[in-house]
Amino acid sequence: DGGITQSPKYLFRKEGQNVTLSCEQNLNHDAMYWYRQDPGQGLRLIYYSQIVNDFQKGDIAEGYSVSREKKESFPLTVTSAQKNPTAFYLCASSIGGRKTSTDTQYFGPGTRLTVL
Amino acid sequence: AQRVTQPEKLLSVFKGAPVELKCNYSYSGSPELFWYVQYSRQRLQLLLRHISRESIKGFTADLNKGETSFHLKKPFAQEEDSAMYYCALSGLGTGGFKTIFGAGTRLFVKA
Repeated sequence: DGGITQSPKYLFRKEGQNVTLSCEQNLNHDAMYWYRQDPGQGLRLIYYSQIVNDFQKGDIAEGYSVSREKKESFPLTVTSAQKNPTAFYLCASSIGGRKTSTDTQYFGPGTRLTVL
Repeated sequence: AQRVTQPEKLLSVFKGAPVELKCNYSYSGSPELFWYVQYSRQRLQLLLRHISRESIKGFTADLNKGETSFHLKKPFAQEEDSAMYYCALSGLGTGGFKTIFGAGTRLFVKA
């Protein structure tokens, strides 16, 4: 399944709490991505990182934060500022590099976050 | 602005019938186009990309730059083709290359 893992599979959070979703890959990929998947809206890009110690906001970054301290790890924090956090979150990786445009993305199994 | 449009949320066809999943894009440069598929209880995965010009599981897709389309076609649908299909575009943004996905089309192949 491509060597990219996400944990946990299901996550429940109370309103007002921050929560961190884990994403790890052992593919030696430079690029990593976080998407949010909602019914009828497809995948929307939250944050992406083309190389370690660097990341860029995607289309819906408000209320989220990331870090990229290690090549294999790209954790996503859903903060209390995110107004509608209940969703399915997908992490992906690709060979990457700033000059690469034809990368295949490899996806993790996803984390379903529910805010109670 | 980069945009990918899949006009059909749901497409239902009978087994053996031809199927076409539409995808239109908006991008000022030369994009790279992909189709990804998500079968039930499986991960999202690449189906095919235009640069490879290949046929996967009987599916083909031709990039039409004049119509800015990348429709996915299969002459004879099978029940196992039932899945969620996403068209995607990879292009240059301010932070490097990133991929934009369409909203997806759910294909249902009836016996």
